[in-house]
Amino acid sequence: AAGVIQSPRHLIKEKRETATLKCYPIPRHDTVYWYQQGPGQDPQFLISFYEKMQSDKGSIPDRFSAQQFSDYHSELNMSSLELGDSALYFCASSPRTGTYEQYFGPGTRLTVT
Amino acid sequence: AQKITQTQPGMFVQEKEAVTLDCTYDTSDPSYGLFWYKQPSSGEMIFLIYQGSYDQQNATEGRYSLNFQKARKSANLVISASQLGDSAMYFCAMREGDSFTGGGNKLTFGTGTQLKVEL
Repeated sequence: AAGVIQSPRHLIKEKRETATLKCYPIPRHDTVYWYQQGPGQDPQFLISFYEKMQSDKGSIPDRFSAQQFSDYHSELNMSSLELGDSALYFCASSPRTGTYEQYFGPGTRLTVT
Repeated sequence: AQKITQTQPGMFVQEKEAVTLDCTYDTSDPSYGLFWYKQPSSGEMIFLIYQGSYDQQNATEGRYSLNFQKARKSANLVISASQLGDSAMYFCAMREGDSFTGGGNKLTFGTGTQLKVEL
């Protein structure tokens, strides 16, 4: 079965640089979520999109922005990177109704040096 | 107050034994869902099982079952016949509300339980 695809899987950036993370949801899933998991932490919700519109917003820094495109893929743009942004970034997708099961991608491991 | 509480930072279980991972939750929303995810050391987040607040029966998926006690606000994960490959971090998570009540469907996670299966 098709799963959530994230790219890149690993990314190393320097402080103050920018990064773009991409997410391709499971086919026919119209909702995308982004989560950030710091070292030894539980995942924290950042932002979600339903039908290309932002549907919810969590603890996402103003330096980050995201969008969902017409093909339902989503991109998380991160600017002025800080050391504290080093984390595992997950994208998850789900159908809008039903059991709301969220399926996670493999994650992008971002290291800021 | 914590919305999801996992009180066991670490657990050990012998291979082939059953193990229960505890999860309690706090919400005033009548519509919610409870999830369990497995995160191996490789980092991916694997969906295991889901229980909706209106579901009458406890959820089961293969060797995983969810002991849902609504009045006590607990949703413990039971893994039967543990295998070495079950060694991982396990997260309990909750979705509050639904698309009809305006819920955003985001998940709130507990702090996780590190399970180690021993020979």
